[in-house]
Amino acid sequence: DSGVTQTPKHLITATGQRVTLRCSPRSGDLSVYWYQQSLDQGLQFLIQYYNGEERAKGNILERFSAQQFPDLHSELNLSSLELGDSALYFCASSRGTGIQETQYFGPGTRLLVL
Amino acid sequence: GEDVEQSLFLSVREGDSSVINCTYTDSSSTYLYWYKQEPGAGLQLLTYIFSNMDMKQDQRLTVLLNKKDKHLSLRIADTQTGDSAIYFCAESYRNNAGNMLTFGGGTRLMVKP
Repeated sequence: DSGVTQTPKHLITATGQRVTLRCSPRSGDLSVYWYQQSLDQGLQFLIQYYNGEERAKGNILERFSAQQFPDLHSELNLSSLELGDSALYFCASSRGTGIQETQYFGPGTRLLVL
Repeated sequence: GEDVEQSLFLSVREGDSSVINCTYTDSSSTYLYWYKQEPGAGLQLLTYIFSNMDMKQDQRLTVLLNKKDKHLSLRIADTQTGDSAIYFCAESYRNNAGNMLTFGGGTRLMVKP
């Protein structure tokens, strides 16, 4: 158990809908990262927050947004969902921000868009 | 962005050693990680190495780094059926004011009894 929690574990929804994925980092970690794992794209970095502020951005679609709250939990919002958004979404956390920071991953949220 | 490449599949017999290979492209100092993913599970951190090191050993795991060729390998000694999983190599690098991991496509390790 990495100490990173994600809810829900599974999510089934329809195209055009909006969902929110939630992540709680390990105790003491200030950075939260979001990754998407899909069959065709593999594991891709989406976005990083550090102590409430956005710090790094990857190939995140404009339909997707995230935020980190004062209690350091983070939410990833996916809107206008398409079939291709079906994937496993991982959250990771680390103490700080920097290439030396080890990222610990949560169990993931499996999203199925029908 | 950076590219991290891995072979897709490896099959070994129980008790043998497994060697999973990875190549990366970043030329600056970086950290390189190995993660394990079992079916239906998240990514479990196995080990990591800084790019100025040649080798790191942690129980049954040995990481070797060839900086000149940008080649990283993970050796699992005395491979067990419980080691069957997908293994991901990842490279850490700076992105704006933060950092991110770039992952390889993963190597599926199958251990036969």
